[in-house]
Amino acid sequence: QKEVEQDPGPLSVPEGAIVSLNCTYSNSAFQYFMWYRQYSRKGPELLMYTYSSGNKEDGRFTAQVDKSSKYISLFIRDSQPSDSATYLCAMRAAYSSASKIIFGSGTRLSIRP
Amino acid sequence: EAGVVQSPRYKIIEKKQPVAFWCNPISGHNTLYWYLQNLGQGPELLIRYENEEAVDDSQLPKDRFSAERLKGVDSTLKIQPAELGDSAVYLCASSGREGPETQYFGPGTRLLVL
Repeated sequence: QKEVEQDPGPLSVPEGAIVSLNCTYSNSAFQYFMWYRQYSRKGPELLMYTYSSGNKEDGRFTAQVDKSSKYISLFIRDSQPSDSATYLCAMRAAYSSASKIIFGSGTRLSIRP
Repeated sequence: EAGVVQSPRYKIIEKKQPVAFWCNPISGHNTLYWYLQNLGQGPELLIRYENEEAVDDSQLPKDRFSAERLKGVDSTLKIQPAELGDSAVYLCASSGREGPETQYFGPGTRLLVL
């Protein structure tokens, strides 16, 4: 079993819809949770990160962490065709700044105009 | 401010040949990472540098892979000899004082081994 599980999709939604992207994990030591966006043939781009539990909002993006369920989510409001990309979740433990970041396999998202 | 620069962007070689990838991180970033990304997968860490020191190379296949960051700035990742299974995207990333949660990635080098 992988430490971080992510549905590969593809997920296709109409423009303007609310998108929900999710990851589950097995390592209870994970404390930092990140979401990256990766366009085709580009490197990943950090969208946001959260520490421990709770919500964080940045514009149309909201990240949620539920540590009791070992489940994290990224919500995209008012989705745009430019949001079409692969979204990667990533996480790491907090016991050391040297702890390795583990990435999910990514969810491919397509926003239909 | 320039982002992470990688070259070449694409490389096609025959198996058993050597290949090298170059990375220049964001200015001032002391931490540099090399990742391997297979199709449909997330990046997997190969090696992490703090300045000139390789502090985590546990996932680097040392029989054929090597890396260096001699002056604590740019870095080179080498494969010799390349195998068919090495075909993938090799990503370089860097981070600074904000910590490893804030990594900036380069565009990657797409390697195809024939």
